[in-house]
Amino acid sequence: NAGVTQTPKFRVLKTGQSMTLLCAQDMNHEYMYWYRQDPGMGLRLIHYSVGEGTTAKGEVPDGYNVSRLKKQNFLLGLESAAPSQTSVYFCASSYSPAGNSYNEQFFGPGTRLTVL
Amino acid sequence: SQQGEEDPQALSIQEGENATMNCSYKTSINNLQWYRQNSGRGLVHLILIRSNEREKHSGRLRVTLDTSKKSSSLLITASRAADTASYFCATDPIIQGAQKLVFGQGTRLTINP
Repeated sequence: NAGVTQTPKFRVLKTGQSMTLLCAQDMNHEYMYWYRQDPGMGLRLIHYSVGEGTTAKGEVPDGYNVSRLKKQNFLLGLESAAPSQTSVYFCASSYSPAGNSYNEQFFGPGTRLTVL
Repeated sequence: SQQGEEDPQALSIQEGENATMNCSYKTSINNLQWYRQNSGRGLVHLILIRSNEREKHSGRLRVTLDTSKKSSSLLITASRAADTASYFCATDPIIQGAQKLVFGQGTRLTINP
């Protein structure tokens, strides 16, 4: 099993450009998450999904959109990139939701995005 | 706002010594988890401790949880160079409909040979 994969691994954008980050998992997990990681800030939740066709806002959703058309994929979109969105983006998935005692999350390798 | 706060922010020890990291949180939780992140990589789950548990072991890892003090500690015994990484605690708060973990800012651990 590949686990959680993310594409691309690196990307440089100019301000105002758009892009989509793709996350795929092969563990048949129901729950998927997008985080951003910035120095000294830890991980912050952007959006998450509790199942195919459903999405919800996390802690820092502004400037991002997501879609979960297939259970195994979770897409993160930036419609008009800004320098403040320079960050490392991580996707994660879990079998059980928070509130369940076995809800550890499995993370992808990350996407390093720079917005100039 | 961050639910979990790790202490210290950075820790440097000699190989073979024990490393202790602490995590404090603010609200009642279902469970608390510890993750490791090697430089340039994603997070890897290490151990989960439920709110009704006080101590848990996994290999060289020992985790304690004190719900009355809202704190947890991660002990790594007999450290190795390969343990060099950042360690994060993540809490699963008891909030109806939360369905998400809240991560702290991490402790950067360096093991010197």
